[in-house]
Amino acid sequence: GENVEQHPSTLSVQEGDSAVIKCTYSDSASNYFPWYKQELGKRPQLIIDIRSNVGEKKDQRIAVTLNKTAKHFSLHITETQPEDSAVYFCAATTTGTASKLTFGTGTRLQVTL
Amino acid sequence: GAVVSQHPSRVICKSGTSVKIECRSLDFQATTMFWYRQFPKQSLMLMATSNEGSKATYEQGVEKDKFLINHASLTLSTLTVTSAHPEDSSFYICSASQGTRDYGYTFGSGTRLTVV
Repeated sequence: GENVEQHPSTLSVQEGDSAVIKCTYSDSASNYFPWYKQELGKRPQLIIDIRSNVGEKKDQRIAVTLNKTAKHFSLHITETQPEDSAVYFCAATTTGTASKLTFGTGTRLQVTL
Repeated sequence: GAVVSQHPSRVICKSGTSVKIECRSLDFQATTMFWYRQFPKQSLMLMATSNEGSKATYEQGVEKDKFLINHASLTLSTLTVTSAHPEDSSFYICSASQGTRDYGYTFGSGTRLTVV
């Protein structure tokens, strides 16, 4: 089955700096890669996703890049703000109806003033 | 947008009792429901996948007789933790899919289970 590794496990940045979180996946058949933000005790919230037919996607301060050859994808947050502090999870899944998501181990991002 | 209502949000139960958690899709038909468990400071671990009208498929290491899943309709799925023990204390969260190719997954709000 799919295995997703995520680094770093914790990340502390100063407000205004950029944050980068990296994930690798094992199953070359995976073709959908969402990123979730989870605040304590809350449900994961989809913040951005990318499909295997594109290499990069951007939404305001958030961007995701995908390297299918190397089987890794990254989340980039620019101009970080304190409200970006949360746990971020990457995930991967294969094509097909209602395929299960495999989550990475999570990155706890702390944005300090 | 798609909404999944999950209840209860918090529950405390005595060791040995059973607890039922419900997830309802409010404005779409959830052909598939995924049930996750999340321990503190850990990732979401898939417990089982259920399709409406079919038996659930459990992940390796998850006891199907302990975690009973029912997905009798396209809008309701339930997870029953039977004979709960303190080690079952965790955050349980469902995720519904409409079974389309757009990979949409809608998460419930989660249930914090504490077994005392």
